[in-house]
Amino acid sequence: AQSVTQPDIHITVSEGASLELRCNYSYGATPYLFWYVQSPGQGLQLLLKYFSGDTLVQGIKGFEAEFKRSQSSFNLRKPSVHWSDAAEYFCAVGEWDNNNDMRFGAGTRLTVKP
Amino acid sequence: GAVVSQHPSRVICKSGTSVKIECRSLDFQATTMFWYRQFPKKSLMLMATSNEGSKATYEQGVEKDKFLINHASLTLSTLTVTSAHPEDSSFYICSARGHRGSPLHFGNGTRLTVT
Repeated sequence: AQSVTQPDIHITVSEGASLELRCNYSYGATPYLFWYVQSPGQGLQLLLKYFSGDTLVQGIKGFEAEFKRSQSSFNLRKPSVHWSDAAEYFCAVGEWDNNNDMRFGAGTRLTVKP
Repeated sequence: GAVVSQHPSRVICKSGTSVKIECRSLDFQATTMFWYRQFPKKSLMLMATSNEGSKATYEQGVEKDKFLINHASLTLSTLTVTSAHPEDSSFYICSARGHRGSPLHFGNGTRLTVT
């Protein structure tokens, strides 16, 4: 069965520092991978997605993620974190042509220190 | 980009009453919509999947008679929490997916408080 693991429950970084949020997946077929961000009391906003092509994906708000099949990972990165990036981040895996099958990681809460 | 509108954003109701939450896809046709419940500092728990024109598929442990889902059109799904109790207080989020290969787009959630 497909699953997503986000090993870090909570990460704290200083403003201006680089960020990497980890995501590992287990999936039998070709995964369709996503990163979403959730601000407090809000829904989820799509940051980026990957299905095929270039394994380094650019998203909104300066985020990028790299798909590494050999490591079953899809880590999210940002070179320089802003205070407004403080939020909860969810990695998710789905199937391209199966609307009804999507799994979310437990989430990583990002705190940004001034 | 694709927008999903969820209404209301907050609702307070008395125990025993019913509450309806709407989820609309504003600029695309959503063949599938999902309803989630999120507990504080937790991930999303999928409650049910609804496909337009058919009955919703509920996840194990979710009472379908309590959480009524209607997906009557390609742009609207509703979740009705019937006979609400304080333990139903939670953050409910909907999402919608359009054509094959499209990602999920989420509503902004509804904070339900049952007193």
